[in-house]
Amino acid sequence: GAVVSQHPSWVICKSGTSVKIECRSLDFQATTMFWYRQFPKQSLMLMATSNEGSKATYEQGVEKDKFLINHASLTLSTLTVTSAHPEDSSFYICSANGLAGYNEQFFGPGTRLTVL
Amino acid sequence: SQELEQSPQSLIVQEGKNLTINCTSSKTLYGLYWYKQKYGEGLIFLMMLQKGGEEKSHEKITAKLDEKKQQSSLHITASQPSHAGIYLCGADGPGYSTLTFGKGTMLLVSP
Repeated sequence: GAVVSQHPSWVICKSGTSVKIECRSLDFQATTMFWYRQFPKQSLMLMATSNEGSKATYEQGVEKDKFLINHASLTLSTLTVTSAHPEDSSFYICSANGLAGYNEQFFGPGTRLTVL
Repeated sequence: SQELEQSPQSLIVQEGKNLTINCTSSKTLYGLYWYKQKYGEGLIFLMMLQKGGEEKSHEKITAKLDEKKQQSSLHITASQPSHAGIYLCGADGPGYSTLTFGKGTMLLVSP
């Protein structure tokens, strides 16, 4: 099946620094990638949808200047958390959808971000 | 109101017992997906249902989609500690702009 990887799997950073998370589709071309955020014991919350070569669409309440998304190629999307603060600590999961006419999403393993 | 209602919110069952988790959509669905997750780990795809009345099984887990394609149930038979985790349903349909998740059901299986 389709495989999506994420890097890093976990990261600890100081408050005020920026962190970049990569999401790659390994064996298919992802026309659309999604970024989710999850707090402990809660469901996934969609942050933004990105299509290759165009600007990401952010969900209401998500600061686009804080969470920068770049979908530069059909196999790579990056999420940069700028000027991270402790409240940004969370589990970030990406997913990719690349199969024409089929809306199943393939999920990455997630990245755990801890901001000190 | 929530577009996708999942119930119960949490569930504790004794090992060996059966259990059911429900997912109800306020809109007709193209597809209903079931995932399992342990916090801090990625989602594991369990099953996808697309046709009204469809039923799929994998090992001890069975998922059904009703004829109206608005309600799905996930049934686990003879639960084991390995079944513990968060179960999420995801919905795709004409009323959903993207895959939408329920709030999840946290399952604990006691020995």
